[in-house]
Amino acid sequence: AQTIHQWPVAEIKAVGSPLSLGCTIKGKSSPNLYWYWQATGGTLQQLFYSITVGQVESVVQLNLSASRPKDDQFILSTEKLLLSHSGFYLCAWSPPAGRRQAPLFGEGTRLSVL
Amino acid sequence: GEQVEQRPPHLSVREGDSAIIICTYTDSATAYFSWYKQEAGAGLQLLMSVLSNVDRKEEQGLTVLLNKKDKRLSLNLTAAHPGDSAVYFCAVSVDTNTGKLTFGDGTVLTVKP
Repeated sequence: AQTIHQWPVAEIKAVGSPLSLGCTIKGKSSPNLYWYWQATGGTLQQLFYSITVGQVESVVQLNLSASRPKDDQFILSTEKLLLSHSGFYLCAWSPPAGRRQAPLFGEGTRLSVL
Repeated sequence: GEQVEQRPPHLSVREGDSAIIICTYTDSATAYFSWYKQEAGAGLQLLMSVLSNVDRKEEQGLTVLLNKKDKRLSLNLTAAHPGDSAVYFCAVSVDTNTGKLTFGDGTVLTVKP
């Protein structure tokens, strides 16, 4: 069975500090991977998607970047955090293109920027 | 781009009653439709998804109806119980390659004993 793991569970960071969030998918090869962001009490917005190692597409500009260094790993990062980066970050996966399956989400990382 | 409206924003029902949440969307090329449940502090749990060629799907006390003519998607929880209390999101997708889901704003469902 496929499992999706996000780390850390929660972070409290200072404005201007760097950030790195991780996501690992086990049990599925060549998944499509996604990062979503959810403001507190709000809806979800896609940030990035990746369909293969080393290839990441940006959907919205939020002074964040993403990388896919391995087939099963997706990293979200920034060198300087802003207050507006606070929220809930969710990683999701779906099978490779051609198989229509709704993305499945991880448990998320809650980020507080102070 | 695709826009999704979800209503009601808050819904309170008694245990055993049904709860209906409705979403309308704008893009007729929408490929599939999903409902997710989010409990407090947790990630999203996929409840059910349907492709655009499906009008009705039932699973474990949940019914999803899709009316493509009216561009309307609904979720019906029959015989709700307190454990169903959570935030429910509809999500629609045009492009399966990008996996981009357009979410509704969510419905906070409270099921009272």
